[in-house]
Amino acid sequence: QQQVKQSPQSLIVQKGGISIINCAYENTAFDYFPWYQQFPGKGPALLIAIRPDVSEKKEGRFTISFNKSAKQFSLHIMDSQPGDSATYFCAASGRPGGGADGLTFGKGTHLIIQP
Amino acid sequence: KAGVTQTPRYLIKTRGQQVTLSCSPISGHRSVSWYQQTPGQGLQFLFEYFSETQRNKGNFPGRFSGRQFSNSRSEMNVSTLELGDSALYLCASGRGSGLLSNTGELFFGEGSRLTVL
Repeated sequence: QQQVKQSPQSLIVQKGGISIINCAYENTAFDYFPWYQQFPGKGPALLIAIRPDVSEKKEGRFTISFNKSAKQFSLHIMDSQPGDSATYFCAASGRPGGGADGLTFGKGTHLIIQP
Repeated sequence: KAGVTQTPRYLIKTRGQQVTLSCSPISGHRSVSWYQQTPGQGLQFLFEYFSETQRNKGNFPGRFSGRQFSNSRSEMNVSTLELGDSALYLCASGRGSGLLSNTGELFFGEGSRLTVL
């Protein structure tokens, strides 16, 4: 059972544009929602995370929007740059470091920023 | 500050063999988690250790096991390897104290890429 559904699978955005990746979850016990960025040959690195008590969190060009009633959250990358080209994973858990089932990850989005 | 170190980075085994992977967490971190990453299944949680105790376990068969030592270093073992065990095995460390001060951030290593022939 896939508890976190991520879309799209791949995304091509022009330099300077806005990249948007969406995730939906099923388990209402989740209360921590991080986004990870992974470059080829590297492990995932935490980008930004949100708790459900806020609807939006912004760090630099990266923003998480969270809709608790719809059980959805999304990552927006403003002014996308070629260096942002990577695979992005959303995740969810019942506690910050990983709940009873650790972090549950989405399948990932392969983002390409065209110069 | 040194990051998470995983060894070996690459290894090739044949079906039926067993393998042990090692992870050294960031200094001061007491939580170590293991994840399996494959193109088809994505990132899947294997288990988490904190202060030498397995705190959580994912939905993997008993062939997958792990342990954590008093210095927080961790190993995972896969016995009777199958072709489907070919994957990137990622280790992540965190403060993992469960206290409110826990930022919850997990720091991943670069992984051990296992190929089973």
